[in-house]
Amino acid sequence: DGGITQSPKYLFRKEGQNVTLSCEQNLNHDAMYWYRQDPGQGLRLIYYSQIVNDFQKGDIAEGYSVSREKKESFPLTVTSAQKNPTAFYLCASSIKANTEAFFGQGTRLTVV
Amino acid sequence: AQTVTQSQPEMSVQEAETVTLSCTYDTSESDYYLFWYKQPPSRQMILVIRQEAYKQQNATENRFSVNFQKAAKSFSLKISDSQLGDAAMYFCASGIWAGGGADGLTFGKGTHLIIQP
Repeated sequence: DGGITQSPKYLFRKEGQNVTLSCEQNLNHDAMYWYRQDPGQGLRLIYYSQIVNDFQKGDIAEGYSVSREKKESFPLTVTSAQKNPTAFYLCASSIKANTEAFFGQGTRLTVV
Repeated sequence: AQTVTQSQPEMSVQEAETVTLSCTYDTSESDYYLFWYKQPPSRQMILVIRQEAYKQQNATENRFSVNFQKAAKSFSLKISDSQLGDAAMYFCASGIWAGGGADGLTFGKGTHLIIQP
């Protein structure tokens, strides 16, 4: 079945460590996105990519990095520079600009 | 920059009744899209309905319909014959057509919908 797979579902990180969240899609979508969700804040855009080997910062990119080496994959690295990384992270993809975005099931990151 | 505002943090409705969730948005773009997403306790984001700004006709999907008032920049969601499975967080979102590029969506803070049996 086509869809978006995020892994792991739960992730624990010690302070000062970098951690990478995986996002894979088999929908043949060109665009991929990373959002962060905090209680009472809705979803906020971290990074997005319209095409392989190209990506753009979203509204809250500081402390995060991404890569887009393959159309199917858009991993997100939460670096030690991110001051408050504990959150729920959602990956999404779409065929083209602002048509329906399909979401993965999310990764809950907790800093311990 | 776009903004999306949902002024109702929480709404409650009796099963089988109708409820309307409010959303206002602000954008300087002329070509944009509006969406309602549902997030149940599983936290999976599910598209409920979408509206293209250039279409005057309000979108409908079974029990879900919108009231799109372009001049007022209002995009409310009406759920008819509410069911227990409709209980969830509902997010209003907007996106613009950026000349072939995908800039991502701007989301409101959400409305928690409670269905009373």
